[in-house]
Amino acid sequence: GDSVTQMEGPVTLSEEAFLTINCTYTATGYPSLFWYVQYPGEGLQLLLKATKADDKGSNKGFEATYRKETTSFHLEKGSVQVSDSAVYFCAIKRDNQAGTALIFGKGTTLSVSS
Amino acid sequence: ETGVTQTPRHLVMGMTNKKSLKCEQHLGHNAMYWYKQSAKKPLELMFVYNFKEQTENNSVPSRFSPECPNSSHLFLHLHTLQPEDSALYLCASSPGSGSYNEQFFGPGTRLTVL
Repeated sequence: GDSVTQMEGPVTLSEEAFLTINCTYTATGYPSLFWYVQYPGEGLQLLLKATKADDKGSNKGFEATYRKETTSFHLEKGSVQVSDSAVYFCAIKRDNQAGTALIFGKGTTLSVSS
Repeated sequence: ETGVTQTPRHLVMGMTNKKSLKCEQHLGHNAMYWYKQSAKKPLELMFVYNFKEQTENNSVPSRFSPECPNSSHLFLHLHTLQPEDSALYLCASSPGSGSYNEQFFGPGTRLTVL
């Protein structure tokens, strides 16, 4: 079945460091790809998304590119801030229909220190 | 603020209690979801409702009973739960079909079963 694999955390960085969180997926067809972020005590918020091969999603300095050939959607940020400390989830949606649930990775905890 | 609200935010209950979780979305969406988030495990889809009809039950025990009286409200009725049911329960909604739409999450209800 469809699945998402994320790098194990926690990831600990100093402020202004470069961030990469790896995500690969297994799915039939051409799923939509998402990164969600969960700040402490809150629900999940959409960070960025991509819907077709070679699309780049970006938001708040974060970027991820839909790589069909490697079935990957790695999250990057050039300079992290303390406020980026959160749990990051990679997810896929296998079709375009309402009511199709997302399939999530296990999440990667990012901790940024000043 | 994502437009999806959940109440209560925290709930402590005994194994013999009956309680209900409530989710409301103010976004005009047609699909609503319940997810369970346990420590060190991926988000688990529990139920999906599309236009008030249940379209997915992900092998959830009968002690969890969902109800969707209209497209804006979703309930999760709980009875005779077990301590291992303690988790963060997240509600989400998404628009109708025809777009590569993401899900919008509420803040969650932190449930503790004693």
